[in-house]
Formats: sequence, structure tokens, C-alpha cells
Amino acid sequence: QTVVTQEPSLTVSPGETVTLTCTSSTGEVTSGYFANWFQQKPGQAPRALIYGTNIKHPWTPARFSGSLLGDKAALTLSGVQPEDEADYYCLLHSGGVQVFGGGTKLTVL
Amino acid sequence: EVQLVESGGGLVQPGGSLRLSCGASGFMFSNYWMSWVRQAPGKGLEWVANINEDGSATYYVDSVKGRFTISRDNAKNSLHLQMNSLRGEDTAVYYCTRGTIGTPGTDYWGQGTLVTVSS
Repeated sequence: QTVVTQEPSLTVSPGETVTLTCTSSTGEVTSGYFANWFQQKPGQAPRALIYGTNIKHPWTPARFSGSLLGDKAALTLSGVQPEDEADYYCLLHSGGVQVFGGGTKLTVL
Repeated sequence: EVQLVESGGGLVQPGGSLRLSCGASGFMFSNYWMSWVRQAPGKGLEWVANINEDGSATYYVDSVKGRFTISRDNAKNSLHLQMNSLRGEDTAVYYCTRGTIGTPGTDYWGQGTLVTVSS
């Protein structure tokens, strides 16, 4: 099955902008993969942030945005807050099958 | 308020079976795709299986095909995962999730139930 790859870790300072990416072993990530993004903090269930590449859920903070960048899906945090420190996972759809990326550990220092 | 509550986890020996359930409330259950996602201790998320609105279509990750069966009871607003021939690598927290309507996605997650496969 498809392997989805994310940056293992990123470090950012409060107030900065950071972009996390999501690549597919099968090639370009297009809108047809309906990329989803999730945030997970220690000891908690994941929380959905983005679906359909760039659609926010009602609870998603405005500083989070999804897009396609080149051949990848991307999650951009504009004006990072200390509470954004967490693990972030992308999810790609291929037919009825779904595949998660390995996750990015975002550290806010 | 949308709620997903998993149950049925526990300790099981290798080769054994377990049936997970997810009780749904706060929404019209029969209108949504549902999925199971798992997370091994200290590891990332892994999609396990999903099922369409009326249960006529199911999909699985390769590693559980032939061993796990996802099903649903729309009359009882419940989702199930029958797990047979369990292995150590199936040890994980299992989450029940709800799909979005229209555009493929996942919105709500349960709190998870822990399955431990060990002798």
C-alpha cells in the first residue's frame, strides 16, 4: 500500500510561520487525495483540523490552513502559539482506503 | 453534541479474538461513513478499516484483511470491529471515527479503547 511521509520533527518560535508537508510514495498528491490533517497532544485523542485539502472544521483556529504545495499536501500554521506544540498527522484517501503519514512532532520554543 | 464511545478493549492472548464496539450519539448515525483507527504505544496513527452508510461497502488495511471485520447496526447506532487471530502487533489504542459528509474526511473521534495482545 501507499506510504505517506511527513517531516519527523520541526521546531519553531512563537509567532513564526511553519509549513508541514505530506508526500505520497505513488507520486504527486492532488486534490483527489482529499488530504486531512489532525493534531494530537500527549494523552489525548487526535483532533481534526483540515479535510478535503483545505476545508476547516468549525473548531479549527484561523491560523491553520491547508493547501497543495508542488506535489505535496501542506499544513501551514501562521503565527504559531505555544499551545500548538503537538504531533500532526496527515491522512490521504485513495478510493475507500486511507493512509496516515508517520506524523510530525512540532516543538514550539 | 456528537459523542463516540468505544468499549470492548482488554487483554487477550495471541491467536485470540475480541470484539470492539462504538456507541454513537448526537447525530444521524446512518448518514455517515465510520472508521476504526489505531495507535500502537508510542507510535503514529494507522487507519484500520471503514464502512459506508448502510454497511454494503467495507475497506481494510492489508495487515488486518481476513482477520478483522468491521460492521454496523444503524438501528442501535453502533459500530463494531470483530478482531480474530490477534497478534502482538495489534496491540494499540483503537479509535472510532466519523466521516465527513460530501468531501471525504474525518471529523469526530472517540477517546479510544486499549487492546493488549500478550501471553
